[in-house]
Amino acid sequence: DTEVTQTPKHLVMGMTNKKSLKCEQHMGHRAMYWYKQKAKKPPELMFVYSYEKLSINESVPSRFSPECPNSSLLNLHLHALQPEDSALYLCASSQNLAGGTDTQYFGPGTRLTVL
Amino acid sequence: GENVEQHPSTLSVQEGDSAVIKCTYSDSASNYFPWYKQELGKGPQLIIDIRSNVGEKKDQRIAVTLNKTAKHFSLHITETQPEDSAVYFCAASSATNAGKSTFGDGTTLTVKP
Repeated sequence: DTEVTQTPKHLVMGMTNKKSLKCEQHMGHRAMYWYKQKAKKPPELMFVYSYEKLSINESVPSRFSPECPNSSLLNLHLHALQPEDSALYLCASSQNLAGGTDTQYFGPGTRLTVL
Repeated sequence: GENVEQHPSTLSVQEGDSAVIKCTYSDSASNYFPWYKQELGKGPQLIIDIRSNVGEKKDQRIAVTLNKTAKHFSLHITETQPEDSAVYFCAASSATNAGKSTFGDGTTLTVKP
């Protein structure tokens, strides 16, 4: 099973709301990723967790707060977002970060709209 | 850092024809090159990948070739079908930048029945 699941599929929120995106995988992978994807653009890396510890933060604004409660779960907490944050948020996982050659498996994404 | 260029940005073929998408990369340390297919409203799905110790890899109608000297790799789809219509992304990564894949800008492939 190479499935990464994400909830919710769609999310509409106001600029003052607090919401969370959830990602789950049961492949035993120890690296998990958050990407942001705008229309007609490639995925843009936001965060990488390795063995439940934040390994990479691509200078993402603090209104995005990642959390990795355990090896299977990855959350992205959202607060005080701007309309330009509207995008498809993708989660991915891979076996680990060793060697940079690990295949990443993507989830279906959460379509976020900020009003 | 790594830079990946992908061409063409759009490609339209007749059903049954072949399609070729090309990518070039800049970092000679890159050693892993996956290709993703993204259908409308879905996340990218890996369709084939190649590592730097291999020159060519094939999986049914899909093949990838890698030229390390020239720093380019290509996706070949034969006997295209309408369900091959999607956006295709190439990517490159290396051990020195583990976790940071660099993606090409994508190719929108349309297969006309």
